[in-house]
Amino acid sequence: ETGVTQTPRHLVMGMTNKKSLKCEQHLGHNAMYWYKQSAKKPLELMFVYSLEERVENNSVPSRFSPECPNSSHLFLHLHTLQPEDSALYLCASSQGTDQPQHFGDGTRLSIL
Amino acid sequence: AQSVTQPDIHITVSEGASLELRCNYSYGATPYLFWYVQSPGQGLQLLLKYFSGDTLVQGIKGFEAEFKRSQSSFNLRKPSVHWSDAAEYFCAVATSGYSTLTFGKGTMLLVSP
Repeated sequence: ETGVTQTPRHLVMGMTNKKSLKCEQHLGHNAMYWYKQSAKKPLELMFVYSLEERVENNSVPSRFSPECPNSSHLFLHLHTLQPEDSALYLCASSQGTDQPQHFGDGTRLSIL
Repeated sequence: AQSVTQPDIHITVSEGASLELRCNYSYGATPYLFWYVQSPGQGLQLLLKYFSGDTLVQGIKGFEAEFKRSQSSFNLRKPSVHWSDAAEYFCAVATSGYSTLTFGKGTMLLVSP
């Protein structure tokens, strides 16, 4: 039990589909993050939310749309994805952006 | 912008032998430095971090790392490796806090009997 739960664990979707990834943290943290982990590439920070406000967006394509309705939940809405978007998407949370992050086990996304 | 280099993609170590994983960073000022471990099918777990002070940092699971400013390095060490240490290890650097983390490409550790 990591304290950060991601669902689904695996997702296969076509390029025209719309789906959402969900992250829930049970640690009482106030900052949440989305990362993309592709094979043979460094982990890429996508979005950072602090106190439910987006504080960082690292030039991510608009086909990825984050949502943070409260401090415990973070979503990543996906639409019209490309094959190169296939990756492991990791969620993390922390108590403030200057504290260690706790990671979920990720959602393995495959785009057909 | 900061960057991280982990020169070894794979390393194989015999169980019980010592381990050193290399990490070099590029950043003008003193960075925040981290080591994470990722087991198959799981997320990342923080092993240790360096913010300031003593340059030899102790972490969980018997790991330690040493910050050497002159070499821009933050190598991870363990005196005796266990089979359960087989995983991928990531070095990361931040300029302030965790929202600016930049990761290396990782080093896969294989442990032989």
